[in-house]
Amino acid sequence: AQKVTQAQTEISVVEKEDVTLDCVYETRDTTYYLFWYKQPPSGELVFLIRRNSFDEQNEISGRYSWNFQKSTSSFNFTITASQVVDSAVYFCARYTPNTGNQFYFGTGTSLTVIP
Amino acid sequence: NAGVTQTPKFQVLKTGQSMTLQCAQDMNHEYMSWYRQDPGMGLRLIHYSVGAGITDQGEVPNGYNVSRSTTEDFPLRLLSAAPSQTSVYFCASSYSGAPEAFFGQGTRLTVV
Repeated sequence: AQKVTQAQTEISVVEKEDVTLDCVYETRDTTYYLFWYKQPPSGELVFLIRRNSFDEQNEISGRYSWNFQKSTSSFNFTITASQVVDSAVYFCARYTPNTGNQFYFGTGTSLTVIP
Repeated sequence: NAGVTQTPKFQVLKTGQSMTLQCAQDMNHEYMSWYRQDPGMGLRLIHYSVGAGITDQGEVPNGYNVSRSTTEDFPLRLLSAAPSQTSVYFCASSYSGAPEAFFGQGTRLTVV
């Protein structure tokens, strides 16, 4: 199986600390996309970012940043100056178009930000 | 524009009962799929459809049936519910080959 591994099951940080969520993926495809989703306590999946396999440029959006490295098959997510509202479960997923457009999700990392 | 709509949001069933989880999208997407989310397991694909009249199995299809008679709707049927089917179910839709998908709000199902 082409797995997505999020080795960190639970992380707790104190507010204003930086935190990095790790994601390692497996794939045999040359074209694929990597996603991060946030799932707050209310349960819905909130889209955060999408990267395609040909674009290794890192991205920053406010307090969020993503580091994509094909050489290590990793797509890590960093929250800078964490806030209580960042408390949620975060999922990394790999997506391959034209095979049913299937997502392969990691098992998620539960982040708790302590005030 | 409602996006992907799932009904109901919550459901409790007794073992052996049947029910249908509804999923509708108004974006004219060809692809629709159902996932289940279990603690510590992430989301796993149950069934998917690449167009009206075409369905296929995902990673965990046992105990579920699907059909796709229209582009808009993709219901998920539990013929005889089991406690192992207690989960949160998500429906998703996308254009063919598109690098994105839209998820519904989820249905929390408890089988007692």
